[in-house]
Amino acid sequence: EIVLTQSPATLSLSPGERASLSCRASQSVGSYLAWYQQKPGQVPRLLIYNASNPAPGIPARFSGSGSGTDFTLTISSLEPEDFAVYYCLQRSRWPPGLTFGGGSKVEIK
Amino acid sequence: VQLQESGPGLVKPSETLSLTCTVSAGSIGSYYWSWIRQPPGKGLEWIGYVHSSGSTSYSPSLKSRVTISIDTSRKHFSLRLRAVTAADTALYYCAREGGPAAFDDWGQGTLVTVSS
Repeated sequence: EIVLTQSPATLSLSPGERASLSCRASQSVGSYLAWYQQKPGQVPRLLIYNASNPAPGIPARFSGSGSGTDFTLTISSLEPEDFAVYYCLQRSRWPPGLTFGGGSKVEIK
Repeated sequence: VQLQESGPGLVKPSETLSLTCTVSAGSIGSYYWSWIRQPPGKGLEWIGYVHSSGSTSYSPSLKSRVTISIDTSRKHFSLRLRAVTAADTALYYCAREGGPAAFDDWGQGTLVTVSS
């Protein structure tokens, strides 16, 4: 089973600052890596798929990069509505299945 | 696509949790359909998926207790989790995988509490 490790667990930043979140896989997942945002009481929202493709309607300040085992979600300039928990998710071909990372919380400093 | 979970909100320990996800306003064919859960205050956990063809895959940690099935004619898929304990208390979501790891449609989630 592929394990995803997200860091940092918590990131304290101010609006307007840049956020970089890391997701590291225990073995290569190619580019089958997605990022989700979840706010309290809400359903997770797909931000990025295939490591770097923004989902429809996602603001340009969100970007994803990486391949293989190391991935990054970058928020170029934090807006007040971006303070939330972010999860990465991978899909493996063999054995077939998916796993979530443990999540990274972006909180207001 | 709209997804709606349904099923009991309370299950006794050692019994079987059963949920159904109804798919509306879209096709159930040619997609992977997953169940995902989130214990209160914790992170997301993928439980397993079923493809419209009927093929399945489950999380290794739950594989011995889980069955996911699909009924394409009735446009729903179902989760059965056997021998539940308090650790299975969670918000259970169903979701459509629009692309690899890309859950682009989710249900609102249903809270299932395991308690006697």
